Amino acid sequence: QVQLVQSGAEVKKPGASVKVSCKASGYTFSNFGINWVRQAPGQGFEWMGWISLNNGNTDYAQKFQGRISVTTDTSTSTAYMELRSLRSDDTAVYYCAREGLPVAGPGGWAWIYDYWGQGTLVSVSS
Amino acid sequence: IVLTQSPGTLSLSPGERATLSCRSSQSFDSSYLAWYQQKPGQAPRLLIYGSSSRATGIPGRFSGSASGTDFTLTITGLEPEDFAVYYCQQYSSSPVTFGQGTKLEI
Repeated sequence: QVQLVQSGAEVKKPGASVKVSCKASGYTFSNFGINWVRQAPGQGFEWMGWISLNNGNTDYAQKFQGRISVTTDTSTSTAYMELRSLRSDDTAVYYCAREGLPVAGPGGWAWIYDYWGQGTLVSVSS
Repeated sequence: IVLTQSPGTLSLSPGERATLSCRSSQSFDSSYLAWYQQKPGQAPRLLIYGSSSRATGIPGRFSGSASGTDFTLTITGLEPEDFAVYYCQQYSSSPVTFGQGTKLEI
């Protein structure tokens, strides 16, 4: 069965960097893109970025531009999200999500997040 | 696109019918809306996509509908395991956005 298993919780100081991993299994990793979404305590979800497993193209939310990198290692079926220059308001649970379900609409194809990792809590505090 | 969910909290009993609302700040095709369920300490679970299509393994008591910029998730005959937080998501345009959630409590 499809599984996305993320790395464990992290505690970081302001200004540091964090790199969260997301190991996929149960499907052909290179067939589906991976998105990263975060959820601050008691808040909703915020999309951060995406990587295509077809060509390695990435797209990042404007608010994270310059601070985020999303990469993959196809040899281990693992995706990574690195966030730099951490601030206290980056404290959140970070999720990876597979966009594995295609949907056709009048505006073209879209991809639904059908499987999510279990989440990784990143705490930023001095 | 801003998605506004209501109510913030919905208190119901098992067996009752739940109606959750998601209103969009902009119009988009109903093909591009999904609903997720999240329980404490768990990852979100895809329930509905394309506004009304159930994801694999989702029971028939979950249904979705759309009318203009208003989207509705209905759960008929609430089961104890349905009490959770529900989020809508639009994937019509980038960045994808989520509603703030509706907590369904007993």
